[in-house]
Amino acid sequence: SQQGEEDPQALSIQEGENATMNCSYKTSINNLQWYRQNSGRGLVHLILIRSNEREKHSGRLRVTLDTSKKSSSLLITASRAADTASYFCATDAYGNKLVFGSGTILRVKS
Amino acid sequence: SQTIHQWPATLVQPVGSPLSLECTVEGTSNPNLYWYRQAAGRGLQLLFYSVGIGQISSEVPQNLSASRPQDRQFILSSKKLLLSDSGFYLCAWSDYGYTFGSGTRLTVV
Repeated sequence: SQQGEEDPQALSIQEGENATMNCSYKTSINNLQWYRQNSGRGLVHLILIRSNEREKHSGRLRVTLDTSKKSSSLLITASRAADTASYFCATDAYGNKLVFGSGTILRVKS
Repeated sequence: SQTIHQWPATLVQPVGSPLSLECTVEGTSNPNLYWYRQAAGRGLQLLFYSVGIGQISSEVPQNLSASRPQDRQFILSSKKLLLSDSGFYLCAWSDYGYTFGSGTRLTVV
């Protein structure tokens, strides 16, 4: 079963603009992670935010977590064409398992 | 450093044939290991996970099985493939975060 649901399903922006993706989940979590997948490739871990954290930064990435609303957002600032990929949130809910959402397809036009 | 190897990268198999996908991890001991499947244009579905040698947990009923004969080896198998087994299969291990292999694209024809 899928725990997280990303919104929007697809996003198309111009290079230099910011991209925001949202993720909602259903159960209590230990942490929430964001991954990136280039077309037909494996997943790359971007950032992990623990349940007691509210915001985290890594380079051009900013992740927020609202455990009261069971939601998270991923912001990519000053997007580049190379950011074109699918982005997935995944929740770690204390059970040695990572459950993924359905993903957001981001297209950055140059 | 830790690395994860998954092969083959692509595979085309006829319906009814057997399957064996192998995943090995280097640079760590007693990792948690996972097999995920991704259908075209969809998210990842957890198939199996293992917390140790011979310990396999299945997440969904299906035509596939998994084994962990060695600490750093995780194998996904099927005795007879179905068309619905087509997909992108990813192996992963977890520590602080999860590290994924490069995936195997399986097409059952």
